[in-house]
Amino acid sequence: GQNIDQPTEMTATEGAIVQINCTYQTSGFNGLFWYQQHAGEAPTFLSYNVLDGLEEKGRFSSFLSRSKGYSYLLLKELQMKDSASYLCAVKDSNYQLIWGAGTKLIIKP
Amino acid sequence: DAGITQSPRHKVTETGTPVTLRCHQTENHRYMYWYRQDPGHGLRLIHYSYGVKDTDKGEVSDGYSVSRSKTEDFLLTLESATSSQTSVYFCANAAGDSSYEQYFGPGTRLTVT
Repeated sequence: GQNIDQPTEMTATEGAIVQINCTYQTSGFNGLFWYQQHAGEAPTFLSYNVLDGLEEKGRFSSFLSRSKGYSYLLLKELQMKDSASYLCAVKDSNYQLIWGAGTKLIIKP
Repeated sequence: DAGITQSPRHKVTETGTPVTLRCHQTENHRYMYWYRQDPGHGLRLIHYSYGVKDTDKGEVSDGYSVSRSKTEDFLLTLESATSSQTSVYFCANAAGDSSYEQYFGPGTRLTVT
């Protein structure tokens, strides 16, 4: 079966750094996506990794290791507005996105 | 801004009634998707389309049908709504199916009583 695992909930402090992990087992791999979803809203695209390594985009970075079936999303200089759920998704061999259940990130002042 | 709208945004319906949700895009994107999102689950694909009149089933297609008669519109129909179909439904589009990200509409909250 196909499976995406990520922690259910994490708590961090404003101004700090947090790393959200995602491990996956899928039939084929055509890229890994991270999305942000605020409560009651639609998911919005954050990042895409298809090759091993780190992709940096402002305060957010995403890392991929295909051999380990592992990715993380790194959020720096946390702000209260970063309180949201972060969704990890992998494109399988049929180019369909397989989604994790999401990690709810709580930011405390 | 992907320019996707969904209607209605909220709906309450009774068990056994048919329900149609509409997704409209302002781009000319070829790919469109319908997902449902439930607590404790990731987004689950119901049906998708790769062009006008070209649709295929996703992971949780039982009890749902779709139609795409125009590039800009993708309709999802619950043939006979059941309480297990109470969910938030998201439509998404994408310019391609490989490295292209999907953009999501605002969602429809459907309650089946």
